[in-house]
Amino acid sequence: NAGVTQTPKFQVLKTGQSMTLQCAQDMNHEYMSWYRQDPGMGLRLIHYSVGAGITDQGEVPNGYNVSRSTTEDFPLRLLSAAPSQTSVYFCASSYSWQGGPYGYTFGSGTRLTVV
Amino acid sequence: GQQVMQIPQYQHVQEGEDFTTYCNSSTTLSNIQWYKQRPGGHPVFLIQLVKSGEVKKQKRLTFQFGEAKKNSSLHITATQTTDVGTYFCADGGTSYGKLTFGQGTILTVHP
Repeated sequence: NAGVTQTPKFQVLKTGQSMTLQCAQDMNHEYMSWYRQDPGMGLRLIHYSVGAGITDQGEVPNGYNVSRSTTEDFPLRLLSAAPSQTSVYFCASSYSWQGGPYGYTFGSGTRLTVV
Repeated sequence: GQQVMQIPQYQHVQEGEDFTTYCNSSTTLSNIQWYKQRPGGHPVFLIQLVKSGEVKKQKRLTFQFGEAKKNSSLHITATQTTDVGTYFCADGGTSYGKLTFGQGTILTVHP
């Protein structure tokens, strides 16, 4: 199993550009989430999903869209990149245990710089 | 919303000393998860605690969940340089998978 695969690993965008960060998992996990990590800010939840076709907003959703058309894929779209979106982005997935997620597996991250 | 407070923010220890990080919530947690992130790496799941008063051990790591399910701790006995990293606790939240992280404790181990 490849686990959680994120692409690209690094990206530089100009302000106003749009792009999609890809996330794929091959573990048949129901739960998937996107986090951003900034120095001194810990991990902040952007969007999450409990299964195909079901997504919800986390604590910092503005400027980002997600969709979950399949169990495996959970892409994150930046609509119009801003310097404040410079961050490391992590995708994570988890299987269901006793009605909830059990321990998320994280991808290796995408380092995004917006200039 | 639900907030999980983690202390201390930083901890410097000499190799061989013990280390503890604490996680506190103002409300009852359904479960608590612990993660470790090495410098430049991604978070790695360590353990999940569900029951009130639960204690679990993984080699030199001891995890506790408070009786009221409002606090948790991670204790490392006799730290090693391989323990360096940031330790996060996370509120496991509801069945919808919303995982909320504490700010993390950055552990430095001096050889």
